[in-house]
Amino acid sequence: QVQLVESGGGVVQPGKSLRLSCAASGFTFSRYGMHWVRQAPGKGLEWVAFIWYDGNHKYYADSMKGRFTISRDDSRNTLYLQMNSLRGEDTAVYFCARDIAPPDSGSYVDSWGQGTLVTVS
Amino acid sequence: SYELTQTPSVSVSPGQTARITCSGQTLPKKYISWYQQRSGQAPVLVIFDDNKRRSEIPARFSASTSGTMATLTISGAQVEDEGDYYCSSADSSGNYRQFGGGTKLTVL
Repeated sequence: QVQLVESGGGVVQPGKSLRLSCAASGFTFSRYGMHWVRQAPGKGLEWVAFIWYDGNHKYYADSMKGRFTISRDDSRNTLYLQMNSLRGEDTAVYFCARDIAPPDSGSYVDSWGQGTLVTVS
Repeated sequence: SYELTQTPSVSVSPGQTARITCSGQTLPKKYISWYQQRSGQAPVLVIFDDNKRRSEIPARFSASTSGTMATLTISGAQVEDEGDYYCSSADSSGNYRQFGGGTKLTVL
């Protein structure tokens, strides 16, 4: 059973940094691309970043580019999100999610963690 | 970047059919997936590749696409189907994702 457990959220002052973690289990982590998606209070889902299964390629939403860094440690089955220069608008629940990209098919997220709340204040 | 537009809210009585739409100029070229998010919970995949229902999802959920519009249909909606529904697609490279703004489904 796929399990994704985020941690590292909390209250942080504007301009400071925070690192989120996502512990994966129940599947071969190193074979899957992974996403971070966030949700501001009362708002919709916003895609944040994506890392390939091998960690060699990383992609970011424009508003996070240059401030956020996605990474992974396959030896620990863990996904990370380093967030720097945090702003009030970064306040959100951050979800990690597993990507599925079958050949000759579309890519989609099939599993989500429960999220970790980051409050910038 | 590209946008996916959803109607903010849909309301039906139990047993009625609920239709939730997602529009976007690039939809004809992209696969759509749909997610259900109940209050206070993480999203759950409902539909992928435009119209394939996840095996755990009840058969009353279906989806289709036509031109620039994708539609999630819940035939005989139940109270437990209440929540927010999001459409999503990837860009042509599969590396960037976009979510629609979400549709709040009320069943009462």
